[in-house]
Amino acid sequence: NAGVTQTPKFRILKIGQSMTLQCTQDMNHNYMYWYRQDPGMGLKLIYYSVGAGITDKGEVPNGYNVSRSTTEDFPLRLELAAPSQTSVYFCASRGWGGLEETQYFGPGTRLLVL
Amino acid sequence: LAKTTQPISMDSYEGQEVNITCSHNNIATNDYITWYQQFPSQGPRFIIQGYKTKVTNEVASLFIPADRKSSTLSLPRVSLSDTAVYYCLVALNSGNTPLVFGKGTRLSVIA
Repeated sequence: NAGVTQTPKFRILKIGQSMTLQCTQDMNHNYMYWYRQDPGMGLKLIYYSVGAGITDKGEVPNGYNVSRSTTEDFPLRLELAAPSQTSVYFCASRGWGGLEETQYFGPGTRLLVL
Repeated sequence: LAKTTQPISMDSYEGQEVNITCSHNNIATNDYITWYQQFPSQGPRFIIQGYKTKVTNEVASLFIPADRKSSTLSLPRVSLSDTAVYYCLVALNSGNTPLVFGKGTRLSVIA
């Protein structure tokens, strides 16, 4: 049981380039989330999904796109990278039901846009 | 979503008990209080959650007064490895309600 995995761990992009950040969870969780964290700041929600085929915008969705074709995968797409998107990106998932609001986070992807 | 206020930073010596208080004056009836811990270069990790009174697990205790407008995370006998950022969150216990993270409290444990 690997939990939440993210690839790549680190990436450097040039302005205007595109890339996809991968996120996979093997816990059969319905809910998945993408956050970004700028230096010294808390996490900001980009997009989230309550199940396969369903996605919703979070606090800072501009410049990003997501898809959820399977329960396991929730990729985040950057179409035209900008320096303001330099950040650490965390993917998280949560199961259905239970008493605890427990989100499991991946190790993060560090992105540098130059 | 209820807004939370917590100290930006705290320092403590090893072996001491650390109490981090979080204010959430507009907490709703169905909201739960949850604390996460984040080490450098890692994603946040769930510590403890509560609705009222006191909750204790192997890592920490959470004290919630009757009016629920604040809560206190208590870490017993901290060690250097407890140096991290601690986030207080207030939200419905539902996956449909994503967690909103503030800046958290940066705890530095000193030898």
